[in-house]
Formats: sequence, C-alpha cells, structure tokens
Amino acid sequence: GAVVSQHPSRVICKSGTSVKIECRSLDFQATTMFWYRQFPKQSLMLMATSNEGSKATYEQGVEKDKFLINHASLTLSTLTVTSAHPEDSSFYICSARDPLSGSAQYFGPGTRLTVL
Amino acid sequence: EDQVTQSPEALRLQEGESSSLNCSYTVSGLRGLFWYRQDPGKGPEFLFTLYSAGEEKEKERLKATLTKKESFLHITAPKPEDSATYLCAVQAWEAAGNKLTFGGGTRVLVKP
Repeated sequence: GAVVSQHPSRVICKSGTSVKIECRSLDFQATTMFWYRQFPKQSLMLMATSNEGSKATYEQGVEKDKFLINHASLTLSTLTVTSAHPEDSSFYICSARDPLSGSAQYFGPGTRLTVL
Repeated sequence: EDQVTQSPEALRLQEGESSSLNCSYTVSGLRGLFWYRQDPGKGPEFLFTLYSAGEEKEKERLKATLTKKESFLHITAPKPEDSATYLCAVQAWEAAGNKLTFGGGTRVLVKP
C-alpha cells in the first residue's frame, strides 16, 4: 500500500518552455501532497504543500507564479514549471500522506528536469 | 525553528561491520520522527516512524531508536545492498500542513 507515482520520470526541455509534472497516489486518497526539490548530494527542500480543492501553500523564497501547483482531486497533484530556465534544472519529488497510515509521507520516484 | 542534524555525513563500512547513524533534533513538540532510505536518482523510501522517547522499530538489519533529543539508526551486519543515503525527518505538532523538516542525510557505502 501507500504507493505514489510521478510522471514523467525524466524531461528535457528548451529554455522558456513550461513543463508539467504529475503526482498520483495510486492506492489511497491524499488530501495533502507535498512538492520537494533536491540538488545533487543535498537533502530535500520543501517547495510547497498542495491541498485538494484549495490553493497551495508555498515555502518562503519559492515563486508561486513560476511553480504552479494544482490539486484537483484526492489522487492527483500537478506541478508546472513555467518559463523554465537552466537554473530550474533539478530533481523534483512529490509525496503524499495516507491519513489511514499514520503521519508518514510516502514519496514518488522523482522527476529529473533538465532545461537546456 | 525546527532543526535536524545528521551525522556522520558519510560512512564507509565493510560488509558485516555494524554501525550507527545519528539524528539530532530540536522541535517545539515532536509529533513524529521518520527515517527514509534514498537510492541515487530515486525518491525516498519510508522505513520507520517513531513517536515517543524509548520507542524502537526494527526491519531486517535496521533498528531505529528514539530519545528526547536524538534518534539512532543501527545497521547490523550490513550488506552491500544497504548502501544508500539515509534521511531523518521530524514533524512538529504545530507544523503547518503536517510538513516534515529533513536532515542533510548520511551516505552509507558498504563494501563487500
């Protein structure tokens, strides 16, 4: 149980384009999902908390107009990186909390974004 | 502000050589402490949740313990497949949206 998927696993795009990353909870309903960013050999940095049916809560320093988050259903949250630039290249990981399995978060496999 | 510090940053072990990883934390009120394993290029894999001092959890060669100030992840007789980065995170009762605060991780390399 508590499986989270992400799509795509890897994406390469040109500077200035937008990229959408999907995060799905496969076997549970998640009212809250989280989006993280991870640089090489560093720990996870929380970007935002995604709440089903309401606006996302962004961490300090994260541009909400650049990283658009939509949580339209209890099993799907999307992160759109708008007008991507090379400095946005990173490993993006989502997680979700299964309310029936305690307070642990379960993570997706991650999406490697490379902006040329 | 909640803080998590993991030590050492990196650990090289011979197969069979048991060791412990440390996770020191300061949090206003601990709701839970979590251990994850992360392999290169993959998302973290959930290992354990600890809720109160004195609690212990075990899974195969891994054992996690918790005190009021720190947690230890003991690796007994490790195998090469235990090589990974181990992440510790805390959740405070007052954490907005139930968010986690992560430590920097300990990279473990087990040589055969």
